Amino acid sequence: AQSVTQLGSHVSVSEGALVLLRCNYSSSVPPYLFWYVQYPNQGLQLLLKYTTGATLVKGINGFEAEFKKSETSFHLTKPSAHMSDAAEYFCAVSDPNFGNEKLTFGTGTRLTIIP
Amino acid sequence: GAGVSQSPSNKVTEKGKDVELRCDPISGHTALYWYRQSLGQGLEFLIYFQGNSAPDKSGLPSDRFSAERTGGSVSTLTIQRTQQEDSAVYLCASSFDVSSGNTIYFGEGSWLTVV
Repeated sequence: AQSVTQLGSHVSVSEGALVLLRCNYSSSVPPYLFWYVQYPNQGLQLLLKYTTGATLVKGINGFEAEFKKSETSFHLTKPSAHMSDAAEYFCAVSDPNFGNEKLTFGTGTRLTIIP
Repeated sequence: GAGVSQSPSNKVTEKGKDVELRCDPISGHTALYWYRQSLGQGLEFLIYFQGNSAPDKSGLPSDRFSAERTGGSVSTLTIQRTQQEDSAVYLCASSFDVSSGNTIYFGEGSWLTVV
């Protein structure tokens, strides 16, 4: 079964500082990987995804993530944090055994931006 | 509509009552998912429908939970004899051909409170 580990349930960074949210997965076959963001009282919005091809993926709002197969990681980064980035971030992995159509989510990381 | 639509957005019910949550997926999407998000936790997979195939019910927590999808479109998640631990946000999502790398889109959720 697939699993996703997000290190750090809460991360705080200063406005303008680097954002790094960690995600590791377990899968015997390279899966599809996703980052979703959830703003307060809203649904989940896709930030970016990796399916095939280039391992550095760029998403919305200046976020990017790099798929590193050797490390089974898909960490999310943004060079300079903005106050509007405060939200909950979820990493998700698809299950190749189900045609990549079923996602398993991590427990989420709440990002706080310090003015 | 343009996105995944869920109703009701908020529901307060008494313990022991049955509730129905509705999801209207994006037009043309063949796959439909239900997830549950409990306070401070990640997203828990409940059930997955794909076209006319038998649904994947492996995530349903008990036989009090059931879901159906009529005509390959609208879905209803039913919780019978609700318990306080059922209080959560129930998220519906839909997609078309995720195996080709397409995105899974989420609705804003139905917030269920069992008192």
